Amino acid sequence: GAGVSQSPSNKVTEKGKDVELRCDPISGHTALYWYRQSLGQGLEFLIYFQGNSAPDKSGLPSDRFSAERTGGSVSTLTIQRTQQEDSAVYLCASSLTGLTDTQYFGPGTRLTVL
Amino acid sequence: GQNIDQPTEMTATEGAIVQINCTYQTSGFNGLFWYQQHAGEAPTFLSYNVLDGLEEKGRFSSFLSRSKGYSYLLLKELQMKDSASYLCAVRDPGDSNYQLIWGAGTKLIIKP
Repeated sequence: GAGVSQSPSNKVTEKGKDVELRCDPISGHTALYWYRQSLGQGLEFLIYFQGNSAPDKSGLPSDRFSAERTGGSVSTLTIQRTQQEDSAVYLCASSLTGLTDTQYFGPGTRLTVL
Repeated sequence: GQNIDQPTEMTATEGAIVQINCTYQTSGFNGLFWYQQHAGEAPTFLSYNVLDGLEEKGRFSSFLSRSKGYSYLLLKELQMKDSASYLCAVRDPGDSNYQLIWGAGTKLIIKP
């Protein structure tokens, strides 16, 4: 595709519900990243996928967060039993490889947990 | 520890020049990125420095001094559309060559 796409653009949910956020990277990009950005804060790394290697989940804040990447392309970030502190913009980025390439970001999903 | 420092907010006048500074303290270094982020939008890539010196790209230039742990982004002939947040990020090899440490960003306000 022309760029990284994410859906939904906005998600409002109630505390305790599960949510799924989707990322469709640029075609041909082998590396995919998930970040979280709270208001006025820098980007917080969550998880990284590189090709068929095991993902690096070291940035996931709790075991309520998980992500998968099917077929080396589309990725889904799942948050179980959402809490109000999970409210943030979730950004996905992809790069051609995981080494020194520039990361290209999607428009993000704004998650609001009531 | 890992630390990236940028001013929180800056104000400049249309047509003028502004310099946004970034200082970093990381365990390793393998490049510094500047991204622009308009409100409610995704960050977009501006520049990448891995060697000391100045990289010029149109109205934007980025400078790096690895010995000082310092970079700046210079914006010339400011336009109203330059109002955005500017994010500094450092690539720290760590255990693998992908970790980007992000600053909180500098909100730049352009006034007519």
